[in-house]
Order: sequence, then structure tokens, then C-alpha cells
Amino acid sequence: QQQVKQSPQSLIVQKGGISIINCAYENTAFDYFPWYQQFPGKGPALLIAIRPDVSEKKEGRFTISFNKSAKQFSLHIMDSQPGDSATYFCAASPGSARQLTFGSGTQLTVLP
Amino acid sequence: NAGVTQTPKFQVLKTGQSMTLQCAQDMNHNSMYWYRQDPGMGLRLSYYSASEGTTDKGEVPNGYNVSRLNKREFSLRLESAAPSQTSVYFCASSARTALRGYTFGSGTRLTVV
Repeated sequence: QQQVKQSPQSLIVQKGGISIINCAYENTAFDYFPWYQQFPGKGPALLIAIRPDVSEKKEGRFTISFNKSAKQFSLHIMDSQPGDSATYFCAASPGSARQLTFGSGTQLTVLP
Repeated sequence: NAGVTQTPKFQVLKTGQSMTLQCAQDMNHNSMYWYRQDPGMGLRLSYYSASEGTTDKGEVPNGYNVSRLNKREFSLRLESAAPSQTSVYFCASSARTALRGYTFGSGTRLTVV
């Protein structure tokens, strides 16, 4: 049973455009929602994370939007660049001290 | 460089063979994890160790055993490899909480023929 559903599976965006990746979760005990970025041949790396006490968190061109009632959260990449081309994973855990459950991943390609 | 080191990077096994994937971290992290990554399925947790001396099963534990040798090292063993275990395996570590994120190794690409 997939507890964190991620969409789309792949995304192609023009340079300068906005990339949007969505995730939905089922477990209401989840209260920590990070996003990871993975380049080919590398392990994933933490990009940005949010707790449910806020509806939005922004770090540079990356923003997480969180909708607790809908049990959904999304990653927005503003002014997308070719260097952002990577696989993005959303994740969730019931407390930051517990193990993460990952979504299925989104392969983002930003065209120059 | 500080981080998580995995060995080997690549391995081909025949069905029924055994092997151990090694993982070591030098960040003094308490928790360590083994995930497998398969196309379209994301990262799925096989086993984790919340602290030295403890191990627990994750979502996909079948066919694997683990050992938390000390605080630094966490190994994953395949006793009798099967083609369904063909995957990329990632080891990760974190402090007592994951607020600063997991640190992942660069992965072991395993093919079972």
C-alpha cells in the first residue's frame, strides 16, 4: 500500500518556467514532509522540508505548499533551470524521529 | 570527506549466491537505513537501525538480513539472491531526528541473473 502518492511521474518544463510536483498522503499521523533531489548516479539529498503548522515554506526558488485538510503537499520550482533537471521525491514521516516513507519520484527535465 | 560510504558500487550475482553490502558513516549519526530504489516505485525501506544495537524491519524486509556492527557501520546481507532483488540499494544515516535530513550514500547497483 503506497502511503505517499506522487505525480506526475515525469515532467518537462522550459527554462524559466514553473515546475510543480504534487504529493498526497493517507496517514494522518504524518507530520514531517521533506523533498529530496537526486541527480543521476547519486544518492538523494534533502532539498526543503515543512511541518504541518505552516502552509508554505520558501527557500530561494523552491517552495513547498501544504494543505493539511486535503492531505496534500506540493513542490514549486520557480524560474526552472537546466541544472534543476533531476528526480524529485516527496516523503513523509510520523514525527521527525521516525523513518521516512517516500513517494515514487518525478523525473524533471528542464529544456534550455 | 564526511558522509556515507557504500561498497561495492556495482555487483552482479547469480541466483542463489550470497553477498553483503557494506555501509559506513562518519557523522556520528545514531540512525541508519537501507532503502532499495526501483523504477516507478521510489525508495522503499528494507531495514533500519534507530541506534547502535537495534534493528527493525521496514516495508520490504524479505530476503535480507542486517547487522549494525557499531555506530558507524550497517551492513545488508542477501543470503540467497533472487532476480527480484535486482535494484539500486542506498544506505542512509540521520541524527536522532530527521529534521536535518538523511545523508545518503551513492548507492550499490545490484543485478541478479
